Amino acid sequence: EPEVTQTPSHQVTQMGQEVILRCVPISNHLYFYWYRQILGQKVEFLVSFYNNEISEKSEIFDDQFSVERPDGSNFTLKIRSTKLEDSAMYFCASRGEGATIQETQYFGPGTRLLVL
Amino acid sequence: AQKITQTQPGMFVQEKEAVTLDCTYDTSDPSYGLFWYKQPSSGEMIFLIYQGSYDQQNATEGRYSLNFQKARKSANLVISASQLGDSAMYFCAMREVSRDDKIIFGKGTRLHILP
Repeated sequence: EPEVTQTPSHQVTQMGQEVILRCVPISNHLYFYWYRQILGQKVEFLVSFYNNEISEKSEIFDDQFSVERPDGSNFTLKIRSTKLEDSAMYFCASRGEGATIQETQYFGPGTRLLVL
Repeated sequence: AQKITQTQPGMFVQEKEAVTLDCTYDTSDPSYGLFWYKQPSSGEMIFLIYQGSYDQQNATEGRYSLNFQKARKSANLVISASQLGDSAMYFCAMREVSRDDKIIFGKGTRLHILP
C-alpha cells in the first residue's frame, strides 16, 4: 500500500541553524501539507501546497519557514534559523486530486526535531 | 473557540470491551468532513475513519465506527472488542469545505487497554 515517507526520522540541531525536512508524498497525490505537533499538544496546520505554490499557511508559518517541491517526488520544509520553540514532531501529509471533502489526507511517520 | 473538543484526556478500558471516544465539533459550514486518527507511541498518524456531513449513515471500518449525531455536533469513535494494540492517542479532526483545505485537530484522548 502506498504511503508517505519522511526523512530523517529524528534530527537534533543547534539554535540558529537551518534544517530541511524531507517528505515523499504518495505518488499520484497532488496536494501536500505540513503539520507540526509540539510534545504533548495537538497537531497544528502549517502550510498547504498545490500546483507548485502555497495554497494556505497558518500564522505559525512565518518568514523562517519555506516549502519546496524540488522535483517530481520530494516535498521539503525548510526552517532557516531554528528556535528552541521549533522543537516538535513535523508531519507531512498528502491527498489525491479529488475535490470532494472525502479526500483523506494521509500522514507520514513524522520527523522529530529537537533544537538545542 | 475550540473547533474540535475531546473531553477525555485519558481512558482505561479492559481488553475486549467496547470503548467510545467522545468528540464534539463547532462549525457553521454546512459541508464538512470529520476524521479520526490514531497515534501510537511510535508517533505516526494513522487514518482510521471518515464521516461526511451529508452522509446519511454512520461510517464503519472494521472494528471502528463513528457515531455521528449532526444535530448535537458530535462524532464519537466507537471501537468494538478492544485489543491491546489499540492503546494509543486518538485524535478527532475536521475539515471545512468552504474555508480551506487544512485539517483541524482536537487535543486527543489517550486510550489505555488493560489486559
